[in-house]
Amino acid sequence: GENVEQHPSTLSVQEGDSAVIKCTYSDSASNYFPWYKQELGKGPQLIIDIRSNVGEKKDQRIAVTLNKTAKHFSLHITETQPEDSAVYFCAASIHSGGSNYKLTFGKGTLLTVNP
Amino acid sequence: DAGVIQSPRHEVTEMGQEVTLRCKPISGHDYLFWYRQTMMRGLELLIYFNNNVPIDDSGMPEDRFSAKMPNASFSTLKIQPSEPRDSAVYFCASSLSTAMNTEAFFGQGTRLTVV
Repeated sequence: GENVEQHPSTLSVQEGDSAVIKCTYSDSASNYFPWYKQELGKGPQLIIDIRSNVGEKKDQRIAVTLNKTAKHFSLHITETQPEDSAVYFCAASIHSGGSNYKLTFGKGTLLTVNP
Repeated sequence: DAGVIQSPRHEVTEMGQEVTLRCKPISGHDYLFWYRQTMMRGLELLIYFNNNVPIDDSGMPEDRFSAKMPNASFSTLKIQPSEPRDSAVYFCASSLSTAMNTEAFFGQGTRLTVV
C-alpha cells in the first residue's frame, strides 16, 4: 500500500518568514495530493491540493509543488502569520473519475509561527 | 449545512465497556470515512463507506471494532470491549466524489479515553 513520509515533524519560524514542509510517497499510481491544516481541538481542513497533471499550484500565500519522477511534493507558506500555527498533514491517494480513494496521511508537521 | 457532526465530543469509559461513536455526514455526500488519530501513528483510516456500503475495512485494528452505516445520514463506530490502547481521537469525514472534486470534510472528532 501507499506510504507517505513527512518532514520535518516540528518547524518553528519567525513571523514573516517562509515555511516549507516536504513529503514523499511510495505508490507511483497516486495522482491526488491534498494538504490539510489542523488547529487545536478541530478536525483537519483542506487548504490546497494538487493533481499529478500539474507541477505547481498557488493560492495567495500558499503554494504546493509536485515532482512525480522523484515522488515528492512540498507545501510552501510565505509571509507566515501567527494564525498559520497549526499541524499540517500531507496526503496521497489514487483518484479516478468519480471513483474515490483512500487518503494516506503523513505523520504531520507542527508549525509554530513566533510573533 | 452544519458540516460533519460527531457525538459525543469527549468520552471517558472504563476498560471492558462498550463504546459507540456517532457521525452525521454532510447531506448529499456519498463517501464516509472513519479515522483514528494518535501521537504515535498519526491519522489512520479505519474504514470507509460508499453509498452506505463498506468498501474497505482493512484498517480496522481488531474484531473489537465494528462500523455500520444504516442510512445515508448516520454512521456508528463501536468498540466492544474497549481497552486503554484504544484511547485516541476518532474522526469521521465525508466527501462527494466527482471527476473534479475529492475534498474530504472532517468532523470535530471524538476524544476517547479508556481507563
